[in-house]
Amino acid sequence: AQTVTQSQPEMSVQEAETVTLSCTYDTSESNYYLFWYKQPPSRQMILVIRQEAYKQQNATENRFSVNFQKAAKSFSLKISDSQLGDTAMYFCASYNNNDMRFGAGTRLTVKP
Amino acid sequence: DAGVTQSPTHLIKTRGQHVTLRCSPISGHKSVSWYQQVLGQGPQFIFQYYEKEERGRGNFPDRFSARQFPNYSSELNVNALLLGDSALYLCASSPGQGRSGANVLTFGAGSRLTVL
Repeated sequence: AQTVTQSQPEMSVQEAETVTLSCTYDTSESNYYLFWYKQPPSRQMILVIRQEAYKQQNATENRFSVNFQKAAKSFSLKISDSQLGDTAMYFCASYNNNDMRFGAGTRLTVKP
Repeated sequence: DAGVTQSPTHLIKTRGQHVTLRCSPISGHKSVSWYQQVLGQGPQFIFQYYEKEERGRGNFPDRFSARQFPNYSSELNVNALLLGDSALYLCASSPGQGRSGANVLTFGAGSRLTVL
């Protein structure tokens, strides 16, 4: 079974600064995918970034990047130049064999 | 193009009742998944359907059931509601199976169910 752990229930960052959200996962599969989703107060889950486990290169999407450490089963999200609109719940997730597992989430607040 | 649409957005039921939640996927998406998100927690996987067949099931009791229609829309049914079923129910669609599309989920805004 897959498990995903987010050890930071809440974090805050000043606008324009950089913040890193942590995530560890556990899976027995060799072929899997990792994700970060954002859930603002509007409730809609929005895909932030996606990483395929067989790719060693870390994924990047504009201000968002990941540090994927496969051996350590770690998948952290770095947000650069934080903006007020980044305030939201962030969920780390792993996918394998038609099963998506989410962590408990990290509530990020960007302060002006 | 419309995104994933869910109905109703909010509903209130009493214990023992039955509820049906509906989801319309993005046009062209053939896979629909359902998730339960209890307040303060991450979403929990309930079901995945592809081409009208169940392809995955999470650890939920038999009171939970779902189906997918020929137009790829889906219904989630919950019987004999319990207080603990109060949650946000999220539907997500994806293009299809396999590495190319199964895991690229687009979520709807959810149906907020309150059981009294």
